[in-house]
Amino acid sequence: GQQVMQIPQYQHVQEGEDFTTYCNSSTTLSNIQWYKQRPGGHPVFLIQLVKSGEVKKQKRLTFQFGEAKKNSSLHITATQTTDVGTYFCAGDQFYFGTGTSLTVIP
Amino acid sequence: NAGVTQTPKFQVLKTGQSMTLQCAQDMNHEYMSWYRQDPGMGLRLIHYSVGAGITDQGEVPNGYNVSRSTTEDFPLRLLSAAPSQTSVYFCASSYLTASSSYNSPLHFGNGTRLTVT
Repeated sequence: GQQVMQIPQYQHVQEGEDFTTYCNSSTTLSNIQWYKQRPGGHPVFLIQLVKSGEVKKQKRLTFQFGEAKKNSSLHITATQTTDVGTYFCAGDQFYFGTGTSLTVIP
Repeated sequence: NAGVTQTPKFQVLKTGQSMTLQCAQDMNHEYMSWYRQDPGMGLRLIHYSVGAGITDQGEVPNGYNVSRSTTEDFPLRLLSAAPSQTSVYFCASSYLTASSSYNSPLHFGNGTRLTVT
């Protein structure tokens, strides 16, 4: 079946450092969505990418969709303590990655 | 708007007991789904529904039943709880789209933390 792998599983960064999480699918995707889950909370939708090679930005967050539509990345520039949480990708809405838990050290 | 409401928030069951996790949404979403979240496993799809009277299995359906008698409600039933079902359960809903390339964002409930002893 379809699998969506996400790396790394955990990431600790000093506040102000950059952070990147990567998502890889075993099959070509129609779209990829990204969600953020704060500790103790529920996943909240961040963005959706649909086109091959698409790049979208939300303030310090940059999302990319690979040319082959099988991989994606989320990059956070100059992390802040408010960025703490687990970031999930979801391929075609159904298939969630394993998530990357981000800890930001003040 | 309340969004997606899940009850209860916490539940402890003994092995073999049954229970129903409730999920209701007030956004008139056609699509509803149940996920379980376990450490290191991400969110795994249990069952989903694309409308009243229609349900289908996800990745990990064994041990769980669902029904969708109304657009608003999508309960998840555990017929005979097992320790392996200890997890956090999330209900999520969204609109259905006619597009083959675009999916409407999922709206999640606050989750139910279930412990089976």
